[in-house]
Amino acid sequence: SQKIEQNSEALNIQEGKTATLTCNYTNYSPAYLQWYRQDPGRGPVFLLLIRENEKEKRKERLKVTFDTTLKQSLFHITASQPADSATYLCGISGPGRRALTFGSGTRLQVQP
Amino acid sequence: DVKVTQSSRYLVKRTGEKVFLECVQDMDHENMFWYRQDPGLGLRLIYFSYDVKMKEKGDIPEGYSVSREKKERFSLILESASTNQTSMYLCASSPTSGSYNEQFFGPGTRLTVL
Repeated sequence: SQKIEQNSEALNIQEGKTATLTCNYTNYSPAYLQWYRQDPGRGPVFLLLIRENEKEKRKERLKVTFDTTLKQSLFHITASQPADSATYLCGISGPGRRALTFGSGTRLQVQP
Repeated sequence: DVKVTQSSRYLVKRTGEKVFLECVQDMDHENMFWYRQDPGLGLRLIYFSYDVKMKEKGDIPEGYSVSREKKERFSLILESASTNQTSMYLCASSPTSGSYNEQFFGPGTRLTVL
């Protein structure tokens, strides 16, 4: 069956360091992948989208990579700040599919 | 800014009750979605709609139905609420019929079924 895995353990890092979050998928041929941020008690907010033919996408301090051979996406936050502390979700969709399938999310905690 | 609103932030219902969760978006989006979110299970798609009166089942449709009579409004219905439907319910919309567009989420409704 199709499966999306994100590290369920919280990631704790020091302010100023680069945070790297992982999204792995199996039994999937995604057309694109999206990353969202979710704060406690709130709905997710879109951050970045990367297509299957793109290897890397950047937006300010954020960088996403997409390796369809490894079936993996990496999400990087450089120069992390305590305000980056949140849960980060990856969502995948296949060709012709309108809906996303989400991973369970990874909680990031940036210590000052 | 796109705004997706949900009728309640918190809701408490009894087993067997019929429950309506309402979602409204103000940006003329074609696609609307209902998810539930549970600890360790992430967001799971219940139903989605790509046009008025059109709907498709998601991954966990059992025990739920939906209604989309107007483009801006998408309702989730629990025909007979059960305790295992206690969860956070999130509504989302996206702007076109294409599959690449970001989803805009509402604030969520935390439903407790006693």
